[in-house]
Amino acid sequence: AQSVTQPDIHITVSEGASLELRCNYSYGATPYLFWYVQSPGQGLQLLLKYFSGDTLVQGIKGFEAEFKRSQSSFNLRKPSVHWSDAAEYFCAVGAWSGGYNKLIFGAGTRLAVHP
Amino acid sequence: KAGVTQTPRYLIKTRGQQVTLSCSPISGHRSVSWYQQTPGQGLQFLFEYFSETQRNKGNFPGRFSGRQFSNSRSEMNVSTLELGDSALYLCASSYGLAGGETQYFGPGTRLLVL
Repeated sequence: AQSVTQPDIHITVSEGASLELRCNYSYGATPYLFWYVQSPGQGLQLLLKYFSGDTLVQGIKGFEAEFKRSQSSFNLRKPSVHWSDAAEYFCAVGAWSGGYNKLIFGAGTRLAVHP
Repeated sequence: KAGVTQTPRYLIKTRGQQVTLSCSPISGHRSVSWYQQTPGQGLQFLFEYFSETQRNKGNFPGRFSGRQFSNSRSEMNVSTLELGDSALYLCASSYGLAGGETQYFGPGTRLLVL
């Protein structure tokens, strides 16, 4: 069965520190992988996605993620966190099967940033 | 391009009532998907519509239904509301033609059932 695991429910970092959010997936075929961010009371904004090619993907707001097939992981990183990065982050795998398209989300990681 | 819009943004209903939520996709997008977000269950796929046809449905009871119009706008309906239907309902649009497409999300409709 397709699934996404985000092991860390809540992470707190200091402003300026580096960040890594973990994501592991289970999917039979080559996955389409996404990271979305959600600010309080808002919808989801796409940070970056991977579907083929270079395994290191650059996104918006200085985020990047690395696809590691051998570890079934797609971890999100940022070298220096800003206070405005405080939000909830969702990893998702895109299932394209039988002509339909849906996203399977992880439970999310809530990021708090200390000044 | 204008983004995905959802109306209304907030809604309060009582148990047993029904509710209709609306979603207007990005211009040119023919696929609209709906998701339910709750603190306990997270983000769950409800259904996807493409060119007025439901292509896939998640594991939700029949009280949850939807439709799509010829202009790709979509509505979802929940009948006989239960307390557990309180959630943020998000819709997302995409071209719907291939895997790996980005789904663009609206701001959501927050439904409170009393």
